[in-house]
Amino acid sequence: TQLLEQSPQFLSIQEGENLTVYCNSSSVFSSLQWYRQEPGEGPVLLVTVVTGGEVKKLKRLTFQFGDARKDSSLHITAAQPGDTGLYLCAGVRGGNTPLVFGKGTRLSVIA
Amino acid sequence: DAGVIQSPRHEVTEMGQEVTLRCKPISGHNSLFWYRQTMMRGLELLIYFNNNVPIDDSGMPEDRFSAKMPNASFSTLKIQPSEPRDSAVYFCASSLGTGRNTIYFGEGSWLTVV
Repeated sequence: TQLLEQSPQFLSIQEGENLTVYCNSSSVFSSLQWYRQEPGEGPVLLVTVVTGGEVKKLKRLTFQFGDARKDSSLHITAAQPGDTGLYLCAGVRGGNTPLVFGKGTRLSVIA
Repeated sequence: DAGVIQSPRHEVTEMGQEVTLRCKPISGHNSLFWYRQTMMRGLELLIYFNNNVPIDDSGMPEDRFSAKMPNASFSTLKIQPSEPRDSAVYFCASSLGTGRNTIYFGEGSWLTVV
């Protein structure tokens, strides 16, 4: 069983559209991170959220941590082809335990 | 600054052969992770080290897999003997501690076992 479930698995949209991807769990996480992975490269950290209800913005990307710290969402406004990639969420259960990753949402933005 | 360096980038080997993947973490980082990524299973943690000591190897698939970290600047992941189901991208990553600290990934080693 996957500790972090991401949806949708695949998403293909036109340039300029908005989208939201989700990361859900039945477990509580002390913090949650979002990574983006481009083809042929390793994942790169986008943001870390630590407080229930926290919202962080990174240009056109908005990240939210659920109030109960069991889920998170990533919203992209006016998607661009450069946003194409695999978006991974990863959570820390607590203390110094290592990150657990979801399987990711593969986003394709078509010009 | 140099990131996490992995070698080889690509390897094609025959079933039964030994495969050794190498990793140089970012200087100063004291935690090192080996992950495996496949379409079916996503990114799986195989093993991680703190201060060169293996902390959790519960993700290592079976005895054919072994990992070492002889010093703070070098780690290896070995598969012996390799099998076609081992085909995947293997990532090494490092961080300053664990928990919520940022993990920096290498570019991965693409392994194909035929």
